[in-house]
Amino acid sequence: DVKVTQSSRYLVKRTGEKVFLECVQDMDHENMFWYRQDPGLGLRLIYFSYDVKMKEKGDIPEGYSVSREKKERFSLILESASTNQTSMYLCASTTIRLAGVADTQYFGPGTRLTVL
Amino acid sequence: ELKVEQNPLFLSMQEEKNYTIYCNYSTTSDRLYWYRQDPGKSLESLFVLLSNGAVKQEGRLMASLDTKARLSTLHITAAVHDLSATYFCAVDMWEYSGGGADGLTFGKGTHLIIQP
Repeated sequence: DVKVTQSSRYLVKRTGEKVFLECVQDMDHENMFWYRQDPGLGLRLIYFSYDVKMKEKGDIPEGYSVSREKKERFSLILESASTNQTSMYLCASTTIRLAGVADTQYFGPGTRLTVL
Repeated sequence: ELKVEQNPLFLSMQEEKNYTIYCNYSTTSDRLYWYRQDPGKSLESLFVLLSNGAVKQEGRLMASLDTKARLSTLHITAAVHDLSATYFCAVDMWEYSGGGADGLTFGKGTHLIIQP
């Protein structure tokens, strides 16, 4: 079974703190993603990565950065946390895209971040 | 902007009844995903639909895709309480971005309650 793990299930931080959210996948997937989920808004893509040291902005990258130093690990960084970044953060991974192949994104358990 | 709209957003139904959740999306895409989320849990992949006319079934759930109408449906047959969850559809951004971006755009989710 594909396993995507996230470093914390619950996290409480203060405004202005630097926050690191870690994600690790064990299936040698090339692609990794960070989403945030808010009530009534569904999931929104923050950043994604195709490969080590590679990153691309998603729909809502403002206030976030990412790091991918190893293939299995993708980190989301909040440089200076703000209260509007209180949310559920979900990491996902998938294999390289192939035409006609029904690959799916596998999601981690999520980190519920509260910024006070 | 790629938009994904689900309806209804809330659905309360009785066991043994049939119902359909609709997912409309605003531009071409070659992949449509359905996920399930239980309260406090992560997303579980249900179906990946690749082509026009694709139909997939798993137990009491059946998903279909009409790419010309940009519509997918998730049909629930003879509902049981265990199917109570939030269901998300999502569309792949690859075609929309011209191959320059990946990740999924999600609908807001359908919160389904099945009452005995």
